[in-house]
Amino acid sequence: DAGVIQSPRHEVTEMGQEVTLRCKPISGHDYLFWYRQTMMRGLELLIYFNNNVPIDDSGMPEDRFSAKMPNASFSTLKIQPSEPRDSAVYFCASTPIGGELFFGEGSRLTVL
Amino acid sequence: SQQGEEDPQALSIQEGENATMNCSYKTSINNLQWYRQNSGRGLVHLILIRSNEREKHSGRLRVTLDTSKKSSSLLITASRAADTASYFCATDGTGTYKYIFGTGTRLKVLA
Repeated sequence: DAGVIQSPRHEVTEMGQEVTLRCKPISGHDYLFWYRQTMMRGLELLIYFNNNVPIDDSGMPEDRFSAKMPNASFSTLKIQPSEPRDSAVYFCASTPIGGELFFGEGSRLTVL
Repeated sequence: SQQGEEDPQALSIQEGENATMNCSYKTSINNLQWYRQNSGRGLVHLILIRSNEREKHSGRLRVTLDTSKKSSSLLITASRAADTASYFCATDGTGTYKYIFGTGTRLKVLA
């Protein structure tokens, strides 16, 4: 298996633009997580899904953030409109039930 | 917040020495995991210890867990320059798979 695949790896955009980050989890993993990493706040859990259903989105910072998982092999994290304070590395991770998390390489977002 | 705290925040040692990192957390857990992150990369799982276990070994890694103190430690023995990375603990909550990460320890091993 190729592991968790995230795209794009790097994104530079201007304030106010819509940003869509994508994630393909490992086949057979029932759980998918979105994290955000910054120097100031560390690794923050934004939302996680079980069998494509959002279980806990209490970490989503504002209504500007939304996440979907239309099927078992694809998830998106959308920011609309983006702001400079959204600049961070966004990680997707997946896991089979109760096991270790497998992380993607991250999407580094810069909002100017 | 359930987020764990790790100490030290940064650690610099000579190759061959042992490195110890500590993690404290706030709520009851099913298990605790340790991860490693090389600069600019994703996190990689190192070891998982369940709440009913007190110690676990994997190669040069030794993890302890004290649920009464809500703390864990990661010991890396005979460190190598390639061990230079950030190390994070992660805890779930009982009855959930909501994994929360600690603040991390930046380890630098000098050759």
